[in-house]
Amino acid sequence: EPEVTQTPSHQVTQMGQEVILRCVPISNHLYFYWYRQILGQKVEFLVSFYNNEISEKSEIFDDQFSVERPDGSNFTLKIRSTKLEDSAMYFCASSGQGTMNTEAFFGQGTRLTVV
Amino acid sequence: ELKVEQNPLFLSMQEGKNYTIYCNYSTTSDRLYWYRQDPGKSLESLFVLLSNGAVKQEGRLMASLDTKARLSTLHITAAVHDLSATYFCAVAGGGGSQGNLIFGKGTKLSVKP
Repeated sequence: EPEVTQTPSHQVTQMGQEVILRCVPISNHLYFYWYRQILGQKVEFLVSFYNNEISEKSEIFDDQFSVERPDGSNFTLKIRSTKLEDSAMYFCASSGQGTMNTEAFFGQGTRLTVV
Repeated sequence: ELKVEQNPLFLSMQEGKNYTIYCNYSTTSDRLYWYRQDPGKSLESLFVLLSNGAVKQEGRLMASLDTKARLSTLHITAAVHDLSATYFCAVAGGGGSQGNLIFGKGTKLSVKP
């Protein structure tokens, strides 16, 4: 069964460092997303990406964040200068196979710990 | 601004009992999802509800959607321990993106023998 894969599963970084979280969406999906979940809290939308550009972003997704689809398979989230409050589980998701009403499938997540 | 509220946030049940989790949302949306999350794990899609009156069932779980009331329910029948998890409802935020989902805070379900 096709799935969204994320790497690494756990990343520890020092405050102020840059991190790149990687995702391989489901093949043939057209829409890509990043969400985050601070420990014990709800899942929050960060950004959606379609046709090689950001289609929507939340107020959480400030200038410290960027996304990229560097090739035909990977989708990355970069945090330029990490802060303690960036510690969370980051989920990548993908959806859409040319239709409008398909669900988003989530990856296993990357747990980011900023120390 | 779309808001999604779930209740209860915590639910402790005995095996064999029935219960319902409620999900209210504040503005019109054409899609509502239910996800399950086990501790430290990802989100597993349970149901996608697309129209008023939609009802879907899988095993001991049944979800329904009333778009006029902006209410979805997740009904648990004869609970078993394996259903212990956190259940989230999520509503499509609209716009051109299909996955801009606004999540509720989740209902942490604990089923005890």
